[in-house]
Amino acid sequence: DVKVTQSSRYLVKRTGEKVFLECVQDMDHENMFWYRQDPGLGLRLIYFSYDVKMKEKGDIPEGYSVSREKKERFSLILESASTNQTSMYLCASSYSTGASSTEAFFGQGTRLTVV
Amino acid sequence: AQTVTQSQPEMSVQEAETVTLSCTYDTSESDYYLFWYKQPPSRQMILVIRQEAYKQQNATENRFSVNFQKAAKSFSLKISDSQLGDAAMYFCARSGSARQLTFGSGTQLTVLP
Repeated sequence: DVKVTQSSRYLVKRTGEKVFLECVQDMDHENMFWYRQDPGLGLRLIYFSYDVKMKEKGDIPEGYSVSREKKERFSLILESASTNQTSMYLCASSYSTGASSTEAFFGQGTRLTVV
Repeated sequence: AQTVTQSQPEMSVQEAETVTLSCTYDTSESDYYLFWYKQPPSRQMILVIRQEAYKQQNATENRFSVNFQKAAKSFSLKISDSQLGDAAMYFCARSGSARQLTFGSGTQLTVLP
């Protein structure tokens, strides 16, 4: 079974802190994603990566950055956490057939609270 | 941005009955995938069913089936013989040539005993 592991299930950080959310997958997937989930808004894509050191902005990249130094690991960085970044963060990975991504496999989510 | 629309924020169904969740999407591509995911209170996203756009036959997985209308860009999920364990948030999603997966806003399904 595919396993996608997020480093924390719950996290509480202070405004202005630099926050790292880590994600590791064990299925050699080329694509990795970071989503933010808020009630009524579904999952919104922050960033995704289709290869090591490659990244693409999603729909809401402002205030976030990412790092992918190894194929299995994709990190989300909040450079200076703000209260409006309090949310559920979901990491996912997938492989591609042709130019399309197939189904994504998700981590268990990190509920981040910024105080 | 290409969108996926779920117009039913909440649905309920009696145990053992059938329910249909709606989803529409926009795309200019001919080759893509469509998915339904389930998210129970544990928050773990679980793939329920997938449909490849080039296949005309509707996908089926046990009690779950889809009605895929490519021209109408519609992709509904039918759950037959609903069980209490089906209660969850359901998300419709689409992939495309940019490799992104775009999700709808979700439908909260309640199963009544």
